[in-house]
Amino acid sequence: EADIYQTPRYLVIGTGKKITLECSQTMGHDKMYWYQQDPGMELHLIHYSYGVNSTEKGDLSSESTVSRIRTEHFPLTLESARPSHTSQYLCASTRQYNSPLHFGNGTRLTVT
Amino acid sequence: AQKITQTQPGMFVQEKEAVTLDCTYDTSDQSYGLFWYKQPSSGEMIFLIYQGSYDEQNATEGRYSLNFQKARKSANLVISASQLGDSAMYFCAMREGLGVTGGGNKLTFGTGTQLKVEL
Repeated sequence: EADIYQTPRYLVIGTGKKITLECSQTMGHDKMYWYQQDPGMELHLIHYSYGVNSTEKGDLSSESTVSRIRTEHFPLTLESARPSHTSQYLCASTRQYNSPLHFGNGTRLTVT
Repeated sequence: AQKITQTQPGMFVQEKEAVTLDCTYDTSDQSYGLFWYKQPSSGEMIFLIYQGSYDEQNATEGRYSLNFQKARKSANLVISASQLGDSAMYFCAMREGLGVTGGGNKLTFGTGTQLKVEL
């Protein structure tokens, strides 16, 4: 059973606010990922990390930033939220290259 | 070119029938992995089945099997004996460059197929 947690589950926030989406896993996985998904659409990779102090941008350009100070924690921050950031954000982790990604339940963000 | 193509936006199947969800992929790597995920309306992503490019036999997991045709670059998901709880969005995904450090460990997803199981 995967142990990866995302908070908050739902977030409604006004334009211009700074927000941090939390993601934590208790499996000791080195590799962690953030995906962005609009309703009914495919997932797009926006950030990934191969370990502590390692972060890379994904295939989809994003105004968000991430950090990886601890193995278990991979938060995503938006400095100034805009309506175009409204989406679902899914965090995932894995140990090995041929292992599946374990996903959190996602954060559904709405920026008004 | 799309790396993962799912040509069926929506599918209907009757309960207890089998259904095949199509997936074709594009890669020049020799070593890659193919994954299927289920996403119910609640939004979480549930891993179903994995097929490695060097696996000689088709993967099976309970009612799920993967029809892997390497030469045609297709990895179709077969769900046998459909249940109402199978109604969900299904995503095919690929990881290229297995075992290579750096950028080769990302999953690329298709656009998904919405499956509806009917009584």
